[in-house]
Amino acid sequence: QVQLQESGPGLVKPSETLSLTCTVSGDSIRSSYWSWIRQPPGKGLEWIGYFYYSGSTKYNPSLKSRVTISADTSKNQFSLRLSSVTAADTAVYYCVRQRCAVCYGDYWGQGTLVTVSS
Amino acid sequence: NFMLTQPHSVSESPGKSITISCTGSSGSIATNYVHWYQQRPGSAPTTVIYEDNRRPSGVPDRFSGSIDSSSNSASLTVSGLRTEDEADYYCQSYDSNTLWVFGGGTKLTVL
Repeated sequence: QVQLQESGPGLVKPSETLSLTCTVSGDSIRSSYWSWIRQPPGKGLEWIGYFYYSGSTKYNPSLKSRVTISADTSKNQFSLRLSSVTAADTAVYYCVRQRCAVCYGDYWGQGTLVTVSS
Repeated sequence: NFMLTQPHSVSESPGKSITISCTGSSGSIATNYVHWYQQRPGSAPTTVIYEDNRRPSGVPDRFSGSIDSSSNSASLTVSGLRTEDEADYYCQSYDSNTLWVFGGGTKLTVL
C-alpha cells in the first residue's frame, strides 16, 4: 500500500521560505511522478507542480518564480520550497502520486496546514 | 488559460440521483481526460472517477462519469444518494501550461 506523509513547519513568517517534505512508502520515488497541491482554508484545490526522478519538473505558472520541487532518492522523499511567502500562501499542502505526467492523483498524503504569519 | 467551471453547490434527497457538471472554458474538454475527486470535511481528496468514466476499485457503481462534447462539459452522476456522499467534489483536467487544472468544487448536500 502506497503511503505519503507530509512534514515541515506549521508556521512560517512572511517573506521567508516554506519548506515541506513528503516521505513515500510502498513505492519508489523513481517510478512515478510526484506533485504538490494546496488548498487555502475554505477554498478549492490548486496544483503547485510536479517532479519526476529524471529531474523533470513542471510548475504552475502563477507560482513558478517562487517554487522548487526536488527529491532525495536515497530517502525516498520529495520536497517543496516556496519562497517569499505571504498570507495568501496559507493553506493545507498535499503531496500526491501520479503514475504519469497527465495521470490523476491516485495517492494523496493527509495534508499539512502551513500558516504564514508573523 | 483553460478553466473548469462547476456549480458552487447542489442538493438532493437520499435515494435520488444528482449530476454535477464541469464545463471547459475553451477548446474541447474531450481532448484530455477528466477526473473527479471527493473531499469530505477535514480529509484529503480521493478519486471517485478517473479518465472520464472509470471507477477506482472500492468506489461503488453509484458513481459514474461522462463527457458531453456538445456542451463541452464533463459530468459526475451519483445515484441512490446516501448521507455519506455529502462532500465537496472537484473535477480536474489539463492544459498545456498549467498542466493540472481544477474546477472550483461543488458542495453536495444530501438533505
